[in-house]
Amino acid sequence: EPEVTQTPSHQVTQMGQEVILRCVPISNHLYFYWYRQILGQKVEFLVSFYNNEISEKSEIFDDQFSVERPDGSNFTLKIRSTKLEDSAMYFCASSEGGGPGNSPLHFGNGTRLTVT
Amino acid sequence: GENVEQHPSTLSVQEGDSAVIKCTYSDSASNYFPWYKQELGKRPQLIIDIRSNVGEKKDQRIAVTLNKTAKHFSLHITETQPEDSAVYFCAATQYSSASKIIFGSGTRLSIRP
Repeated sequence: EPEVTQTPSHQVTQMGQEVILRCVPISNHLYFYWYRQILGQKVEFLVSFYNNEISEKSEIFDDQFSVERPDGSNFTLKIRSTKLEDSAMYFCASSEGGGPGNSPLHFGNGTRLTVT
Repeated sequence: GENVEQHPSTLSVQEGDSAVIKCTYSDSASNYFPWYKQELGKRPQLIIDIRSNVGEKKDQRIAVTLNKTAKHFSLHITETQPEDSAVYFCAATQYSSASKIIFGSGTRLSIRP
């Protein structure tokens, strides 16, 4: 069964540094998402992406965050200047299209980001 | 925007007994309600979902019910087994768009042998 893959599985960075989290969505999927989960808390929506542009973003997704689909397979999340509170598990997800009800979200295994 | 409340935050049941997790949502435009199971350190995985045009859906030992009027929906697990131990998240969204899924705060279910 095809899977969403994320790299790295764990990223440690110093406060103020830039990080790029990478995701390879399932190949025929058209909608891409980033969610984050602070340890022990709920999964929170960050951003959705379709047709090479952001469809929707949450209030968490401020100017420090950006997403990009640099080629036909990768989908990245960049945090320009990391803060301690950015420490979380970041999940990439993708779906075929038509909304999560018509095509369920498939989540990757996540990247655990630790900001020191 | 949508807000999803989930209760209880922790739940411990004897193996073989039933478990019920309850959620409420605020946005009457939401019409799709998935449930995710997350084992420790792993990705959330969809276990069952329901659309607003039905009141109940079953899949073996798992069932979901939806009360649109009251904006309540619930997950029922019968004949619980040790492998049911996990964190369960309810969620709400609109199924026909690329809308974000809004998750509840999660229920940590523990099954006592």
